[in-house]
Amino acid sequence: GQNIDQPTEMTATEGAIVQINCTYQTSGFNGLFWYQQHAGEAPTFLSYNVLDGLEEKGRFSSFLSRSKGYSYLLLKELQMKDSASYLCAVRDQGSGGGADGLTFGKGTHLIIQP
Amino acid sequence: DVKVTQSSRYLVKRTGEKVFLECVQDMDHENMFWYRQDPGLGLRLIYFSYDVKMKEKGDIPEGYSVSREKKERFSLILESASTNQTSMYLCASRSSKYEQYFGPGTRLTVT
Repeated sequence: GQNIDQPTEMTATEGAIVQINCTYQTSGFNGLFWYQQHAGEAPTFLSYNVLDGLEEKGRFSSFLSRSKGYSYLLLKELQMKDSASYLCAVRDQGSGGGADGLTFGKGTHLIIQP
Repeated sequence: DVKVTQSSRYLVKRTGEKVFLECVQDMDHENMFWYRQDPGLGLRLIYFSYDVKMKEKGDIPEGYSVSREKKERFSLILESASTNQTSMYLCASRSSKYEQYFGPGTRLTVT
């Protein structure tokens, strides 16, 4: 089985930087994903980490430490449109989440203020 | 452009009815998934399929079944809908890089 924790809600200011943390416990780690979900819409893919280190993609970066069971999503130069929920998800080789499915955290609701 | 479509955005059914939720993807992906999303619980995997006519249980399969007769189509079936199955249902399809593409979701209300 798996346990994924991330903060329920965060608030940040337009133009600033915010870091959303995710910790996980898994029996057979095989990759970590970050998704963005605007209210009433489907999740959209942001990043995928399978090795330790930082992956940068424009204003968004994602970091992974497998030994610590820890990841973060870093959002720079925040814009109002970044107000959304951010979902951390782990791909596990164990029975939880299915052999190929993802197990999701409950999501972090990010509020951007002017 | 990647596309996953679901048959309905909103659906209202009565307790005990049989409900079919349809999902179609146009990316020739082998793997397809059904999740439900509830406030405070996040996304939870119901069933997935890695090939035509193949299916695997996810974390919460009770009360659901699935059908995959064609590669592009994955159906979720509620044999006898109950009020605790009121939820947002999301279908997803997986690429070779493990990235999952989601459909727009079906908000099902069982009364």
